Amino acid sequence: EPEVTQTPSHQVTQMGQEVILRCVPISNHLYFYWYRQILGQKVEFLVSFYNNEISEKSEIFDDQFSVERPDGSNFTLKIRSTKLEDSAMYFCASSYTGSSTNEKLFFGSGTQLSVL
Amino acid sequence: GNSVTQMEGPVTLSEEAFLTINCTYTATGYPSLFWYVQYPGEGLQLLLKATKADDKGSNKGFEATYRKETTSFHLEKGSVQVSDSAVYFCALSGRQAGTALIFGKGTTLSVSS
Repeated sequence: EPEVTQTPSHQVTQMGQEVILRCVPISNHLYFYWYRQILGQKVEFLVSFYNNEISEKSEIFDDQFSVERPDGSNFTLKIRSTKLEDSAMYFCASSYTGSSTNEKLFFGSGTQLSVL
Repeated sequence: GNSVTQMEGPVTLSEEAFLTINCTYTATGYPSLFWYVQYPGEGLQLLLKATKADDKGSNKGFEATYRKETTSFHLEKGSVQVSDSAVYFCALSGRQAGTALIFGKGTTLSVSS
């Protein structure tokens, strides 16, 4: 089965630094997502992306966050100036039609971000 | 707003025991309901889903029935195996394209032989 690939699996950074989390969605998928899970808490939606623009975002996704699809294969999440509370597991996901009623999201195995 | 509440873990069972993981939801309209599973070192994978009231989703021996009257979608399996050890997430989604999945906290299941 095709896979969503995320790199790196673990990222350590200093508070205030910029980080870029990388994802390679499944090649024919059209909708892309970022979620995160702070340790012991729920998996939270951050943003969805379709047709080279954000289609939906949560309150968490403030001006410190941005997403980009710089080429035909990568989908990145940038945190401009990391805070301690950004420490979490970040999951990338993709789907073909975007209708989660009818099809499943494919998730990557996550990037564990640790902000020191 | 929409939300999902699932039972706190961890759940520890012996092989061949019966499993129930409770999940209740709050939502406007008629969401779709899902169970996702995360095996160690892997991403979340769809386990089963139900898109309307009274639908039963099933896969790999797991079942869950969409109960609108109790706003529940409890996950069950009659006889668990060691290989079922994983984290299980209940989730819901609205019906528009690109709508975000709303997840519960996840329940860790540990099955011993």
